[in-house]
Amino acid sequence: EDQVTQSPEALRLQEGESSSLNCSYTVSGLRGLFWYRQDPGKGPEFLFTLYSAGEEKEKERLKATLTKKESFLHITAPKPEDSATYLCAVQLMYSGGGADGLTFGKGTHLIIQP
Amino acid sequence: DSGVTQTPKHLITATGQRVTLRCSPRSGDLSVYWYQQSLDQGLQFLIQYYNGEERAKGNILERFSAQQFPDLHSELNLSSLELGDSALYFCASSKHEETQYFGPGTRLLVL
Repeated sequence: EDQVTQSPEALRLQEGESSSLNCSYTVSGLRGLFWYRQDPGKGPEFLFTLYSAGEEKEKERLKATLTKKESFLHITAPKPEDSATYLCAVQLMYSGGGADGLTFGKGTHLIIQP
Repeated sequence: DSGVTQTPKHLITATGQRVTLRCSPRSGDLSVYWYQQSLDQGLQFLIQYYNGEERAKGNILERFSAQQFPDLHSELNLSSLELGDSALYFCASSKHEETQYFGPGTRLLVL
């Protein structure tokens, strides 16, 4: 069964304290891995797409990396406004050659204290 | 603002009733996806439409159905509602089948 597991479930950091969030996946036919940020009661906001092992993407204080079994979201010198739930999702190829809907992990709830 | 719009924002109804949720994709996007988010199950893929045709199905119940119209907007119909159907329902869109951009969601409460 295809699985996406995120850890930790929750993380509390001081402002400026760098850390990493993990997303491990067990899937067949990976098309892409996606990171989203979600604020309470809002829709997920797209951050990054990664397609192949070794790929890295950066945006402001965030950097996403991908290996064959997991992805990391590194957050450098975070600020209180980075507090949110970070969701990892995988998109699979299906037998017809197209892509399926996203399979999401449960998310990491990140709190940055001033 | 992702450019995806959903109406209504909130919906309160009773068990056994039927409701329709509406989604307008970003300009130029051909694919529309529907997701359900509940506290215990997280975000779950329900169904995808591409240019009016059903493309992929996820964990969608038989009581739920969707369609995409010629102007590319989509509707998700939920019938014979149960308490457990209370959740946030999100629509997402993409040009073809790559990055999906999510709307603000419809919060459904079944009493």
